[in-house]
Amino acid sequence: ETGVTQSPTHLIKTRGQQVTLRCSSQSGHNTVSWYQQALGQGPQFIFQYYREEENGRGNFPPRFSGLQFPNYSSELNVNALELDDSALYLCASSYRGARLETQYFGPGTRLLVL
Amino acid sequence: DAKTTQPPSMDCAEGRAANLPCNHSTISGNEYVYWYRQIHSQGPQYIIHGLKNNETNEMASLIITEDRKSSTLILPHATLRDTAVYYCIVRVYTGNQFYFGTGTSLTVIP
Repeated sequence: ETGVTQSPTHLIKTRGQQVTLRCSSQSGHNTVSWYQQALGQGPQFIFQYYREEENGRGNFPPRFSGLQFPNYSSELNVNALELDDSALYLCASSYRGARLETQYFGPGTRLLVL
Repeated sequence: DAKTTQPPSMDCAEGRAANLPCNHSTISGNEYVYWYRQIHSQGPQYIIHGLKNNETNEMASLIITEDRKSSTLILPHATLRDTAVYYCIVRVYTGNQFYFGTGTSLTVIP
């Protein structure tokens, strides 16, 4: 069984640029959630994708967008990067339809915006 | 918004039991208590969850009070590798998101 994987592991961008982060869900999972974790803080929910559609969103502006593909993998896109976007971005997968929808996290992508 | 309160930090001697408390006084009847931990700069790792009964697995035990307003995660024999930030989360059985607070930073001391 393959766990949740994310790419790249690290990324450096400059303010105003755009970035795409990728996530492959755990085998058998059909739902992907994205979280942002600033230094010293707990993860903050960005949004969730189920059946290739956004299915819930946290308090993040529209320049944070995503996609889910038929194989359940997902992308997080951030436009017009700001310095405060520097964070660890975490992807979690789960199975919608299970009695308990436990989320399993990937190792994260660390983004630095200069 | 996080619905839980945890102490910011705790120490535990290696080999002793680590007892991590969590208050969730506004928990609803259909909300589960989940525990995750995060070792430095890695993704959070699922530990255990429960609704009203005490639970035990190979990693830990979860004790939930009868009124469900608080719980305790117990690591029976803490090792140095248990040093991490531990998050207590309440959530409906299926839903959009987990609300993470700032967690408890557990340091296991040799």
